[in-house]
Amino acid sequence: DQQVKQNSPSLSVQEGRISILNCDYTNSMFDYFLWYKKYPAEGPTFLISISSIKDKNEDGRFTVFLNKSAKHLSLHIVPSQPGDSAVYFCAARVPNTGNQFYFGTGTSLTVIP
Amino acid sequence: DAGITQSPRHKVTETGTPVTLRCHQTENHRYMYWYRQDPGHGLRLIHYSYGVKDTDKGEVSDGYSVSRSKTEDFLLTLESATSSQTSVYFCAISESTGNSPLHFGNGTRLTVT
Repeated sequence: DQQVKQNSPSLSVQEGRISILNCDYTNSMFDYFLWYKKYPAEGPTFLISISSIKDKNEDGRFTVFLNKSAKHLSLHIVPSQPGDSAVYFCAARVPNTGNQFYFGTGTSLTVIP
Repeated sequence: DAGITQSPRHKVTETGTPVTLRCHQTENHRYMYWYRQDPGHGLRLIHYSYGVKDTDKGEVSDGYSVSRSKTEDFLLTLESATSSQTSVYFCAISESTGNSPLHFGNGTRLTVT
């Protein structure tokens, strides 16, 4: 059973606008969350993280929001650029498991110039 | 970029043959992981290691074994490959089990015919 879900397989956004990628999870014990970006034929690249004790973390154009009561995570990219076109994965960790993460199925983002 | 090298990058093998995939890191990180990526499933953990000769099973470990005789190398073996093991395999490393993200290699595409 998928503990981390990305319900939108794809998303298209105009260059310069905001991209919002969503992730839902079922396990309230998850304590650390990650977002990755993946280009074809490459490995996932770490983007940004958030601990369960926070509700927001920013790094440049990327902001991650965590809503623990809703078990919902989102990644905002502002402004979106064509180079952001990739597949984005969210991941969540159960504590005390050797840093094991559960991943979502990914959302393919296309930024239209 | 994290110094992670996966070999081979591509492999085609026949059902029933043994296959070994190699992951080599130059970061001296303690934790290493093997994930597989399949459409509709995201990335799923196969096995992980928390030190030399210390390994444990992940979510989808059946049909796979691992070994770690040196800090820098983590091997994944399919004792008798099956078509269901056709996938893209990613190695990841992590510095610690604190709030430390995973860093991935570029993957091995394995096809079992």
